[in-house]
Amino acid sequence: AQSVAQPEDQVNVAEGNPLTVKCTYSVSGNPYLFWYVQYPNRGLQFLLKYITGDNLVKGSYGFEAEFNKSQTSFHLKKPSALVSDSALYFCAVRDVKGAGSYQLTFGKGTKLSVIP
Amino acid sequence: KAGVTQTPRYLIKTRGQQVTLSCSPISGHRSVSWYQQTPGQGLQFLFEYFSETQRNKGNFPGRFSGRQFSNSRSEMNVSTLELGDSALYLCASSLLGTGVGSYEQYFGPGTRLTVT
Repeated sequence: AQSVAQPEDQVNVAEGNPLTVKCTYSVSGNPYLFWYVQYPNRGLQFLLKYITGDNLVKGSYGFEAEFNKSQTSFHLKKPSALVSDSALYFCAVRDVKGAGSYQLTFGKGTKLSVIP
Repeated sequence: KAGVTQTPRYLIKTRGQQVTLSCSPISGHRSVSWYQQTPGQGLQFLFEYFSETQRNKGNFPGRFSGRQFSNSRSEMNVSTLELGDSALYLCASSLLGTGVGSYEQYFGPGTRLTVT
């Protein structure tokens, strides 16, 4: 089965500093990887995805992610953190179940706190 | 385009009762998936519907069921509610295929169910 792991429950970063939220994956075949963000009392918002192609993927709100096949990682990054980036971040992998069906398997989530 | 909508946003039910949650996908999206989010278990896949057919089901008891209508709107039902069913229930829709925007799932704001 496909899986992702987020090794950090919480990440604290000062406003204006670069941020990294880590994700590693375990898949058979080519990985389809995603990052989502969840603000309090809200659903998940799609940030970016890696399907194929360039290892550096750019997404919404200035976020980007680097796909590293040798390290089986897909870390989320942003050059300069904003207080408004404080939220819960989820890494996910697409798990194909046949007949065109798939589901997202999520990591446990990482709480990002940006300190003013 | 309007996003995924879910109704109601909040529900309080008593143990033993049943509940029905509703989800309207993004216009043109035919696949609808449901997820349960709890602090302890994180995000877990419930089931996925496409063209009124359940194509995939997660590891949940039979008390959890769903359906999809011809307009792609979906409902999920939980019968004989237990305290452990208290959670945020998220609905997601997807376009499918291989074109732009066809790999990711788009989530609604969720329905917060509290079972007392």
